[in-house]
Amino acid sequence: SQTIHQWPATLVQPVGSPLSLECTVEGTSNPNLYWYRQAAGRGLQLLFYSVGIGQISSEVPQNLSASRPQDRQFILSSKKLLLSDSGFYLCAWSWQSYSGNTIYFGEGSWLTVV
Amino acid sequence: GENVEQHPSTLSVQEGDSAVIKCTYSDSASNYFPWYKQELGKRPQLIIDIRSNVGEKKDQRIAVTLNKTAKHFSLHITETQPEDSAVYFCAASTFGNEKLTFGTGTRLTIIP
Repeated sequence: SQTIHQWPATLVQPVGSPLSLECTVEGTSNPNLYWYRQAAGRGLQLLFYSVGIGQISSEVPQNLSASRPQDRQFILSSKKLLLSDSGFYLCAWSWQSYSGNTIYFGEGSWLTVV
Repeated sequence: GENVEQHPSTLSVQEGDSAVIKCTYSDSASNYFPWYKQELGKRPQLIIDIRSNVGEKKDQRIAVTLNKTAKHFSLHITETQPEDSAVYFCAASTFGNEKLTFGTGTRLTIIP
């Protein structure tokens, strides 16, 4: 079966500090990978998605970046965090197949920028 | 691109009654419609989905209906229970499209 791991689960970072969130998927190969952000009490905002190693599509211009150094690894980064970057960050994956694009989420990372 | 609208944004239902959440989509090529449930502080989890070649799908107390002509789909929860309290998101995508477009969510509260 497929599993998705995301860490750290929670972090508190000062404004201007860097960020690195990491996600790995097990039990599948060549998945689509996604980073979503959810502000408190709000909806799901797609930040980045990737269909393969080194292929990153950005949905929203911001001070965040994403990388996919390995097939099942997806990293979200920032060089300098803003207060507005606080939120619940969710990594997700889906199959690359003609089966309907069901997305499966990781457990999420709570980021508080202070 | 696809746009998904979801209503209502909040819904309170007496325990045992039914709850209905409705979504409309804009892209007539969309043909996959999942629903996710997100409990407080947790990740969204798929509860049911429907494909465009089907008009209705049921799974115990949960059902989803799809009207492709009108471009809307709905989630129906019968005999609601306290554990049904959560935020529900609808979504739409096209087969082979790597992106899923989400609705804005409905906060469902079951009143004991």
